[in-house]
Amino acid sequence: GAVVSQHPSWVICKSGTSVKIECRSLDFQATTMFWYRQFPKQSLMLMATSNEGSKATYEQGVEKDKFLINHASLTLSTLTVTSAHPEDSSFYICSAREADRESQPQHFGDGTRLSIL
Amino acid sequence: GQNIDQPTEMTATEGAIVQINCTYQTSGFNGLFWYQQHAGEAPTFLSYNVLDGLEEKGRFSSFLSRSKGYSYLLLKELQMKDSASYLCAVRDSNYQLIWGAGTKLIIKP
Repeated sequence: GAVVSQHPSWVICKSGTSVKIECRSLDFQATTMFWYRQFPKQSLMLMATSNEGSKATYEQGVEKDKFLINHASLTLSTLTVTSAHPEDSSFYICSAREADRESQPQHFGDGTRLSIL
Repeated sequence: GQNIDQPTEMTATEGAIVQINCTYQTSGFNGLFWYQQHAGEAPTFLSYNVLDGLEEKGRFSSFLSRSKGYSYLLLKELQMKDSASYLCAVRDSNYQLIWGAGTKLIIKP
């Protein structure tokens, strides 16, 4: 149980392109989803917390207009990197926590490796 | 401020036992998690401790002492596939996860 699906796994695109990443909880409902970024050999960095039906909460230093988050249902959150540039190249990972079960761990998707040329 | 400390890197021998320590200072405490992350992959959940004591799950065990702000992950009968980074994370009073930088574990034959 508690499977999180993230798509796509890999994206390679030109600078200036907008990229959309989907995160789905397959067998549970997730009122809260989390978006992380991880640069090589570094720790996970929380970018934002996505709440179903409301605006996402962004961490300090993360541009809201650049990283658009939509959490329209209890099983789907999307992250759109707008006008991506080479410095946005990173490993993006989503996680989800089962609704009303704050004692449960976050379950992670497989991640999306984004390369901007 | 909130802080999680764990060693950057450890080396152990196949078949041996290794203990990875984690100390934390956070605003409140609502549980401690250990995750395993292989290079280029997302983290996978290993264990959860919210009360003091030892939680055993197969070859892996995790210990917590809330009064000392201390936890360890114990890996027994090490296998080559255990080579990975091990992440300690603490949930604070706001139910935010505070992540350690991870411990890279290298297993040698």
